[in-house]
Amino acid sequence: AIRMTQSPSSLSASTGDRVTITCRASQGISSYLAWYQQKPGKAPKLLIYAASTLQSGVPSRFSGSGSGTDFTLTISCLQSEDFATYYCQQYYSYPTFGPGTKVDIK
Amino acid sequence: QVQLVQSGSELKKPGASVKVSCKASGYTFTSYAMNWVRQAPGQGLEWMGWINTNTGNPTYAQGFTGRFVFSLDTSVSTAYLQISSLKAEDTAVYYCARAGMGGITGTTSDYWGQGTLVTVSS
Repeated sequence: AIRMTQSPSSLSASTGDRVTITCRASQGISSYLAWYQQKPGKAPKLLIYAASTLQSGVPSRFSGSGSGTDFTLTISCLQSEDFATYYCQQYYSYPTFGPGTKVDIK
Repeated sequence: QVQLVQSGSELKKPGASVKVSCKASGYTFTSYAMNWVRQAPGQGLEWMGWINTNTGNPTYAQGFTGRFVFSLDTSVSTAYLQISSLKAEDTAVYYCARAGMGGITGTTSDYWGQGTLVTVSS
């Protein structure tokens, strides 16, 4: 199975900050990488697929990049509603998720 | 609009079985596969497998063979997850999620149910 890692595991930030989360795959996955946002007690929400394509309805302050084994999720100007846990997921082969990055308020 | 509505929370004793339902609406049920994802308390997301809603053919991830069964009732656009011989470590929120963009053998999950908490305790 392809193993996914994320860094950092958590971060504290303020509204208006630029936030970057990285995700690494244990082997090349081309651009078959998705990002999800999960708030406490809620289901995950798909933000980005194909490494950089925004899901319909997702604000443009979210962006993704990368291919192969290294990927990033960037939130350009953090809003209050963005405090959540973010997961990357590869779907090159049977899906596996990263361990998550919790973004909380500084 | 696409909606996946899951059945309510369950409290079961070890050794019992549970069946979670996931009713889809707002799209053609048989046009999209259904993923199942588990989230243990305070933990991350774990893909359990998926079911082809056209053929009914299930695929199970490692660690989810034997006691876990995916099934369908296409007449009511509903997918099911049954877990038998429940153990305390099965305590988790179980999500159904519609398969979205495809990779080589995997997919994203573009719409999610609200989750069903299954608690296994004596």
